[in-house]
Amino acid sequence: DTEVTQTPKHLVMGMTNKKSLKCEQHMGHRAMYWYKQKAKKPPELMFVYSYEKLSINESVPSRFSPECPNSSLLNLHLHALQPEDSALYLCASSQDGPSGYTFGSGTRLTVV
Amino acid sequence: QKEVEQDPGPLSVPEGAIVSLNCTYSNSAFQYFMWYRQYSRKGPELLMYTYSSGNKEDGRFTAQVDKSSKYISLFIRDSQPSDSATYLCAMSAREYGNKLVFGAGTILRVKS
Repeated sequence: DTEVTQTPKHLVMGMTNKKSLKCEQHMGHRAMYWYKQKAKKPPELMFVYSYEKLSINESVPSRFSPECPNSSLLNLHLHALQPEDSALYLCASSQDGPSGYTFGSGTRLTVV
Repeated sequence: QKEVEQDPGPLSVPEGAIVSLNCTYSNSAFQYFMWYRQYSRKGPELLMYTYSSGNKEDGRFTAQVDKSSKYISLFIRDSQPSDSATYLCAMSAREYGNKLVFGAGTILRVKS
């Protein structure tokens, strides 16, 4: 299995909702990432988990809460989002180290 | 000045042409260099990964890294309409803690 699987593919949520994005990989990768990508822009790093521990938080607002239940799973919990948070949310994984990541197809999030 | 500079294009070429995509960077600590292809509304797909300087070839794709000039290139031979996508360069270093720094992405259009 050489894929990173993200669910759901699309999500529409109101500003008062709570929702979660899920990411799964079975490649034995020890680092997992959340990126946010706005239209016509490159991905922007949000969080890095290394060996199931949060190692980087790029000053992301607390309305985004990551969770790594085990080495194969990564969640992003969303609460009280703003319309400007609408974007493609990408999960990625890699072997320990900054070699090439494998990205998932992303969750397209719309906040209304 | 951005750490990684990449011309956003769009770059439009006829089918069969040789395509040259380039990025320059300012941080001499970068050691890991990657090229990703991203189709519309999809996650980035790793095309080429190079550690340090040199050339790497994979089918119709050739990646070059010139660390002395802080310049990386991706060449696509015999370009096809299916190569039409956004091409993102990315780079990193150990001290970045697995974080990738992306270029802006170049939109490529191959006309049949």
